Amino acid sequence: DAGITQSPRYKITETGRQVTLMCHQTWSHSYMFWYRQDLGHGLRLIYYSAAADITDKGEVPDGYVVSRSKTENFPLTLESATRSQTSVYFCASSGTFGSAYNEQFFGPGTRLTVL
Amino acid sequence: AQSVTQLGSHVSVSEGALVLLRCNYSSSVPPYLFWYVQYPNQGLQLLLKYTSAATLVKGINGFEAEFKKSETSFHLTKPSAHMSDAAEYFCAVSERGGSNYKLTFGKGTLLTVNP
Repeated sequence: DAGITQSPRYKITETGRQVTLMCHQTWSHSYMFWYRQDLGHGLRLIYYSAAADITDKGEVPDGYVVSRSKTENFPLTLESATRSQTSVYFCASSGTFGSAYNEQFFGPGTRLTVL
Repeated sequence: AQSVTQLGSHVSVSEGALVLLRCNYSSSVPPYLFWYVQYPNQGLQLLLKYTSAATLVKGINGFEAEFKKSETSFHLTKPSAHMSDAAEYFCAVSERGGSNYKLTFGKGTLLTVNP
């Protein structure tokens, strides 16, 4: 199916464990983004990527790692999960490089609980 | 740096009443502006966007927004609320030029529609 998908949709893990959240888009969009959504904070950008093998930090990158070896995939890894990383994580993608503006298309989200 | 302020974290209206959700932005030049909607347990969906054509922008589901440069505002309205409009609404802004791929989001306004 065309679009942007995230897996898993729900994840419970323990403090100190490594967790990887997957994101896949079928539009060949250049840009991909990871956000976390927390009550009272809205959406905050964790990392973004302008193309394969090009990534950069957003507003709240600490404790997260990303990679982008293929245009369509943008996994987010929590190397050692902490309770403060309990959140809903959204992946998004947008347009082509150099477009006048880039509306972002969002995945359904992953609800992560760190115990 | 850009910022977005959504006045009112929670707005409650009766079915059939006017919906008004407020958004003010801070930017040195008129930016691109977006309204997104998030239904429970879903990702964000684009409602409408302003990209410097008409200042009154019509979106999906009967929503519209008016860009007012003098007031640095982009308020979202709908003449008659439906129960199905109950959701969280986010205003977002992106720069014109080199960083236009990044969105800055407001903290969201939760809309409740009462029967």
